[in-house]
Amino acid sequence: QKEVEQDPGPLSVPEGAIVSLNCTYSNSAFQYFMWYRQYSRKGPELLMYTYSSGNKEDGRFTAQVDKSSKYISLFIRDSQPSDSATYLCAIGGGADGLTFGKGTHLIIQP
Amino acid sequence: DVKVTQSSRYLVKRTGEKVFLECVQDMDHENMFWYRQDPGLGLRLIYFSYDVKMKEKGDIPEGYSVSREKKERFSLILESASTNQTSMYLCASSLNFGGLSGANVLTFGAGSRLTVL
Repeated sequence: QKEVEQDPGPLSVPEGAIVSLNCTYSNSAFQYFMWYRQYSRKGPELLMYTYSSGNKEDGRFTAQVDKSSKYISLFIRDSQPSDSATYLCAIGGGADGLTFGKGTHLIIQP
Repeated sequence: DVKVTQSSRYLVKRTGEKVFLECVQDMDHENMFWYRQDPGLGLRLIYFSYDVKMKEKGDIPEGYSVSREKKERFSLILESASTNQTSMYLCASSLNFGGLSGANVLTFGAGSRLTVL
């Protein structure tokens, strides 16, 4: 089964808040985990990439993978209005390609 | 930075017309992909190509065909457009990790929004 579940939102938070975005998946063979950010009327762009359990940090962004629970998260610290976008998780393994979540629409209120 | 360019950002076509969507990447990537993106359905893979003149069906190939005559160019063709093909079409490319490997990081174009009347 290739399904990846992601809450579509919208998720609206005030500027400066910590944001938590999440995806769950069902296939234990998945081993590559990505987060893409998509601004309105643009294509998705890669934000974070990891292939192991645990945390990976890049500036204000932290990607977390829990393979035992089949759960991945993206945390955004000190959120800014420019972070307002749709965030897509993408999970892959083997030769089945990437399975994308439907995306969470995030709104950061100034 | 890898750049993926989709030549048409917005198109309006009539039912039954033949539609060409063009995509060019400038970083010598082996793999190229066509997705469509619809509200509530997310990204769905239409076709991909791992080499010149090679093509493989994705999850929703019906009503579409593709052409890859040169490594940098991947075209999506709607032989006879229908209203249910109104969508955002996204082209992507990636380095070669075995074609459809889940390890591939995709670089997307800006998208082509097609409306079929």
